[in-house]
Amino acid sequence: ETGVTQSPTHLIKTRGQQVTLRCSSQSGHNTVSWYQQALGQGPQFIFQYYREEENGRGNFPPRFSGLQFPNYSSELNVNALELDDSALYLCASSFSGGDEQFFGPGTRLTVL
Amino acid sequence: AQSVTQPDIHITVSEGASLELRCNYSYGATPYLFWYVQSPGQGLQLLLKYFSGDTLVQGIKGFEAEFKRSQSSFNLRKPSVHWSDAAEYFCAVVKMDSSYKLIFGSGTRLLVRP
Repeated sequence: ETGVTQSPTHLIKTRGQQVTLRCSSQSGHNTVSWYQQALGQGPQFIFQYYREEENGRGNFPPRFSGLQFPNYSSELNVNALELDDSALYLCASSFSGGDEQFFGPGTRLTVL
Repeated sequence: AQSVTQPDIHITVSEGASLELRCNYSYGATPYLFWYVQSPGQGLQLLLKYFSGDTLVQGIKGFEAEFKRSQSSFNLRKPSVHWSDAAEYFCAVVKMDSSYKLIFGSGTRLLVRP
């Protein structure tokens, strides 16, 4: 059974640029959630996708957007990057929300 | 609004000593509670979860947690800490509306003295 994978591992961008982060969910899972973890803080919920539809969103601006594909993998897109977007971005997969979310290793984004 | 508080930012214990990490939650109904561990450069690993039933929950790596509704707490314990337990620990509660999202505390960093 393959776990949750994320790419890339690290990324450096400059302010104003756009970035796309990718997540492959665990086999059999149809729900993907994205979290942002700033340095020294707990993860914060960005949004969740269930069967290719966004079904919940946290307190993040519209420049944070996502997609889920038919194979249940997912992308997180961030436009007009700001310095405060520097963080570890975590993807978690589950089955229909489920009682446990399985986390990937994260993508470390640095915005200069 | 749902929230989770972890009052201790850092805790240092000696190897072999017992451990208790505190977690307090704010939630209107019966909460679904979790403890996750995060090692440097890695994602989150689930240690244990509480949904209902027995208030003392056993998890992986020798950890346990006790749900106390009267105190709105879900403290994590381990009787004997190993050096490999050094990591960041997060308590979380599920918020269910249109989605099923985790609300995390700010974490407690555990340091283990040899």
